This record gives sequence, C-alpha cells and structure tokens, in this order.
Amino acid sequence: DAKTTQPNSMESNEEEPVHLPCNHSTISGTDYIHWYRQLPSQGPEYVIHGLTSNVNNRMASLAIAEDRKSSTLILHRATLRDAAVYYCILHGSSNTGKLIFGQGTTLQVKP
Amino acid sequence: GAGVSQSPRYKVAKRGQDVALRCDPISGHVSLFWYQQALGQGPEFLTYFQNEAQLDKSGLPSDRFFAERPEGSVSTLKIQRTQQEDSAVYLCASSSWDRGFYGYTFGSGTRLTVV
Repeated sequence: DAKTTQPNSMESNEEEPVHLPCNHSTISGTDYIHWYRQLPSQGPEYVIHGLTSNVNNRMASLAIAEDRKSSTLILHRATLRDAAVYYCILHGSSNTGKLIFGQGTTLQVKP
Repeated sequence: GAGVSQSPRYKVAKRGQDVALRCDPISGHVSLFWYQQALGQGPEFLTYFQNEAQLDKSGLPSDRFFAERPEGSVSTLKIQRTQQEDSAVYLCASSSWDRGFYGYTFGSGTRLTVV
C-alpha cells in the first residue's frame, strides 16, 4: 500500500486559512487521495477526496499537485471546531476499500 | 438510524475476560470495517465484511479476536481472554456499494480498558 507523509502538528489562528500538506510520492495512477479528520473522542469523519483535479466542497478544498506526488487540504477559515487530527489516505480503486491511516496532522486552532 | 452506532461506549474488562462489541451500521450499507486505535495512534485495520461474508481478516492480531456479521447488518467483534495490550478504541465503519469511495461513516467507537 502506498504511504503518505504528513507533519505531526500544525497551529492556526481562528478565522485564518489553513493549508495541511501531504506527500505521497509512491501514489499509483488509480489511487484517489482521501482526507478524513478525527475530532476528540469521535470516529474519523470523511472530509474530501480527489484524483487529479482540485476539488471543493462545503467543508474544505483539496489542491493536488500536477505530478500527484503531493496534495494540500485547505480550510478557508479555521474555527475552533476544526481542531482535530487530519489524515491523508490513498484509496485504491482495486482493493477492498480498507483505509491505511498514518499518524496524521494534529491541528490546533488558537482563538 | 442516521449514523453508525456502537455499543457499549465504554467497557472495562478484567484480564482474561471475554468481551463482545457491537456495531449497527447504516441501514443498507454493504461494506463494514472494524479498526483498532491505540492511544495517540491512527486507526489500524482489523477486518472487512461485504454483506455477511468476511472477505479480509488479515488485520486481526491473534486468534483471540473474532468478528461476525451473520445477517449482513449488525456486526459483533469478540475478544476472548482479554489482555492489557487489547486496551484501545475499537471503531466500526460502513459504506454502501461504493466501497467507501465517497467516504466511510464511522461510529464513535468503543473504548476498551483491560485491567
């Protein structure tokens, strides 16, 4: 399974944008890039996914590098409720769909 | 229900005791996964069901761990003769036909503490 690399932790101020990076240099052509986040004492929550093009939804935006070896999750205006662990995961279309979680990035949001 | 429900929310077991953890997936969801999350770590895959068929159990750490989903809906994860290293949060996730392509829905987990 292809691996992802993320910083252990990041800090942001409330109301400011946050860019969470992820490296996935061994990504295969059929792997989709998925992001989940996990708030304290809760299960992970799906955020967004993409293949090649940048994606937007109500929660966040996903910017994917042209060579697909890295991506960035963008929270446009961080709130205190966005404090969580963010996981970048490669989801292969050919496997059972199991998710391989890394350590993720712990995002702290300061008021 | 609207989400994935897991029970109990918390479980304290004495070492050597057997435990059973329940997962109620979203109605109609075909795929069901169990994950184990140790403190400070990301979730780790345990096993996968498609309807009632257990298609992948490669993540179960030992033969003390057993999972079933007899009617393709509710699933139970059973741990026999619990050990201290089994202390973790056990998460259940489900998705429809898309195998999680559009995102899995996770429950809030069962926190198991073995004393």
